[in-house]
Amino acid sequence: AQTVTQSQPEMSVQEAETVTLSCTYDTSESDYYLFWYKQPPSRQMILVIRQEAYKQQNATENRFSVNFQKAAKSFSLKISDSQLGDAAMYFCAYHNAGKSTFGDGTTLTVKP
Amino acid sequence: DAGITQSPRHKVTETGTPVTLRCHQTENHRYMYWYRQDPGHGLRLIHYSYGVKDTDKGEVSDGYSVSRSKTEDFLLTLESATSSQTSVYFCAISEKEEVRGPIGAFFGQGTRLTVV
Repeated sequence: AQTVTQSQPEMSVQEAETVTLSCTYDTSESDYYLFWYKQPPSRQMILVIRQEAYKQQNATENRFSVNFQKAAKSFSLKISDSQLGDAAMYFCAYHNAGKSTFGDGTTLTVKP
Repeated sequence: DAGITQSPRHKVTETGTPVTLRCHQTENHRYMYWYRQDPGHGLRLIHYSYGVKDTDKGEVSDGYSVSRSKTEDFLLTLESATSSQTSVYFCAISEKEEVRGPIGAFFGQGTRLTVV
């Protein structure tokens, strides 16, 4: 079974600084998709960024980028120029063949 | 923001009673999903739908049933609620699905269900 591990239950960053959230996963598949979701206190899950496993190029969405290391099964999220609105819980997720697996989440605090 | 509405947003119910949660979308997306979120477990897929009247089980489907009679609505029913089903329930929609997974899914705001 696939597993997704987020080893950092909590992280904090100073406003305008950069922070990296870690995610590792375990799979025997070669084709799959990886996502980072943001869940603010409102509890609404918001898609931040996605990565197709067959693409070597790391995905980027404005201030958000990933470091996808397929061989190491690592998928970290980098947030640049952190803003107060980035404070939330972040979930890493793996999708393949009808099964979705999420990590337990990392709570990010942004300090002014 | 994607048009997804979950109702109710909060519900308290008694053990043994049936409960139905509703997910309504205005995006005309083909794929819809129900997840539950529990501390220490992240999100777990309960059921999903890939079209009207087409549904399939996720990893934690026992005790739950779903129905999708039209594109915009996906109902989750707890046939006889138990305390272990106390959780936050999320609906998600997706326009595309490859290798049978939700691609770029948008999630609703969640429903907090308490079974006493």
